[in-house]
Amino acid sequence: GQQLNQSPQSMFIQEGEDVSMNCTSSSIFNTWLWYKQDPGEGPVLLIALYKAGELTSNGRLTAQFGITRKDSFLNISASIPSDVGIYFCAVRMYSGGGADGLTFGKGTHLIIQP
Amino acid sequence: EAGVVQSPRYKIIEKKQPVAFWCNPISGHNTLYWYRQNLGQGPELLIRYENEEAVDDSQLPKDRFSAERLKGVDSTLKIQPAELGDSAVYLCASSPGLGVLNEQFFGPGTRLTVL
Repeated sequence: GQQLNQSPQSMFIQEGEDVSMNCTSSSIFNTWLWYKQDPGEGPVLLIALYKAGELTSNGRLTAQFGITRKDSFLNISASIPSDVGIYFCAVRMYSGGGADGLTFGKGTHLIIQP
Repeated sequence: EAGVVQSPRYKIIEKKQPVAFWCNPISGHNTLYWYRQNLGQGPELLIRYENEEAVDDSQLPKDRFSAERLKGVDSTLKIQPAELGDSAVYLCASSPGLGVLNEQFFGPGTRLTVL
């Protein structure tokens, strides 16, 4: 199956710092998504990207869909304690026959040190 | 609006026993997905339903796994018999249906431990 390379695997940062993580693939995808998962919960959608080169913000979060359609990054500005969790990138090829299932990266585990 | 509901939240069984998970999607969502999430990994798709039809079950291990969505609303995923390697979190997700802006909403998952 498709492989998404997500990095870094984990991040240890101080509260207030900015965070940057990325995701790459050897294949082209039409949709890039970023999810956050808290312990004991399902993933929650943060940002969805549908056009190559698109830059989208959601509060302190900013994500970009790479121009080659093979990568994406997520930035978090001025991190706060509730940002702790696992961040997943995910992709979907919309086939026209319905909303295909997603392929996820392995996640970036964000840990904020007081 | 209620989210995706799953039950049970936790299940511990011995290997070779059967187990079933239940999912109720968001009201009006035609598409339902089952994913499996192993420890330290992202979710992996098992099966996708469009209404009551399984349109993508290529990743479902059919020798021991089965799923149904009889009335096109809630769904059940079954494992029989369970193996040690089936220990994982089983996530259900739903989306409204066809369309590009058609994102998936996940339930909290069922954490299965096979002893």
